[in-house]
Amino acid sequence: QVQLQESGPGLVKPSQTLSLTCTVSGDSIRSSGYYWSWIRQHPGKGLEWIGYIYYSGSTYYNPSLKSRVTISVDTSKNQFSLKLSSVTAADTAVYYCARDRDGYTFDYWGQGTLVTVSS
Amino acid sequence: DIQMTQSPSSLSASVGDRVTITCRASQTISSYLNWYQQKPGKAPKLLIYAASSLQSGVPSRFSGSGSGTDFTLSISSLQPEDFATYYCQQSYSTPRTFGQGTNVEIK
Repeated sequence: QVQLQESGPGLVKPSQTLSLTCTVSGDSIRSSGYYWSWIRQHPGKGLEWIGYIYYSGSTYYNPSLKSRVTISVDTSKNQFSLKLSSVTAADTAVYYCARDRDGYTFDYWGQGTLVTVSS
Repeated sequence: DIQMTQSPSSLSASVGDRVTITCRASQTISSYLNWYQQKPGKAPKLLIYAASSLQSGVPSRFSGSGSGTDFTLSISSLQPEDFATYYCQQSYSTPRTFGQGTNVEIK
């Protein structure tokens, strides 16, 4: 059974960098055809796709966040990570990591982690 | 970006009712359309992929249809565990985008 688990600070100060890691179990992050995505959900709102990474390191970022986002992968630890710089209160959200099957479908999700941006 | 618009935004229904949710894309997306169910405090769960394919383990009362710009999610006989928010999502192009959600409430 594939499982994803987000980890990282739940509180980040404005202007700092949000950093989260997603640990994958039950599947290899090097599996062919799978991309690894970050998605966020503002409180009480809809879903916003942040971007994805392939195990080779190839990435695609949502243009709305591209200037502030970095997604990286550590295949030795079966993990991928998100960094979002220069955060503001508008970045307060639940952040999910998800497996992106064939680049088309989010078939497994982490439980989500709430990150609050506040001084 | 492709805009996804769901209707209605919310609906009230009773157990046993047939429920239909509509999703419209701002441009053609062929059949690159997925549906998710989200319950409060939980991650979304994949129900339907490629517009009409049922994800493994999902009850057969859920079905999807459509292609091009117009899609529907149907629940043939609403069960108590189906009260949730439903989202459509296009995978035709990046950035991936979601509909705003449809909240299915108990009447």
